Amino acid sequence: DVQLVQSGAEVKKPGESLKISCQGFGYKFATYWIGWVRQMPGRGLEWMGIISPADSDSRYRPPLQGQVTFSADKSTNTTYLQWRSLRASDTAIYYCARRRHELLDVFDIWGQGTMVTVSS
Amino acid sequence: DIQMTQSPSSLSASVGDRVTITCRSSQNINSYLNWYQEKPGRAPRSLIYAASHLQSGVPSRFSGSGAGTDFTLTIVSLEPEDFAVYYCQQSYNTPWTFGQGTKVEIQ
Repeated sequence: DVQLVQSGAEVKKPGESLKISCQGFGYKFATYWIGWVRQMPGRGLEWMGIISPADSDSRYRPPLQGQVTFSADKSTNTTYLQWRSLRASDTAIYYCARRRHELLDVFDIWGQGTMVTVSS
Repeated sequence: DIQMTQSPSSLSASVGDRVTITCRSSQNINSYLNWYQEKPGRAPRSLIYAASHLQSGVPSRFSGSGAGTDFTLTIVSLEPEDFAVYYCQQSYNTPWTFGQGTKVEIQ
């Protein structure tokens, strides 16, 4: 089965760093860009950006540029979302999703989500 | 950024009802419009891509239409498992943007 499997829930303090992961199974991982989508508590979905697992080329939502970093490891079919210094406002569920450019850019497969809680 | 506006924000319906959700973009996005379904505690699920194409495995009671700035998601006969939140999303320009969601509740 084609699937994206994300790392487990995290509880962190403000100022701490964090790296969460998204691993692909059942398809040629490097072929499709991976997107990251945020859902803050009680809110809708927000596109954070996308990364190419083939060469780590990335696009960020402008306000997030410099706040988060996308990375990829082709050898393990894994992409990562990283923070150097978390804030309470980073509390959210983070989803990764596979981008299908040839279908006019849809996220066709989604990970199960990673809940990140930032609290002192 | 392109703004996506869904209506209604919520609706109450019964099993068997026909449901229509609309989505309007702040500028022309051709057919770069996708629909997703989200249930509590579950990841979003792709339903419709490119405005009108049914994603593999999605029941045929779901359909999408529209182009340019006005789009529609229709569920011809609501099933119990369809009670969820539905989002439209444009992929014409980055940042891709989502509508605020439409919650379909049991009447």
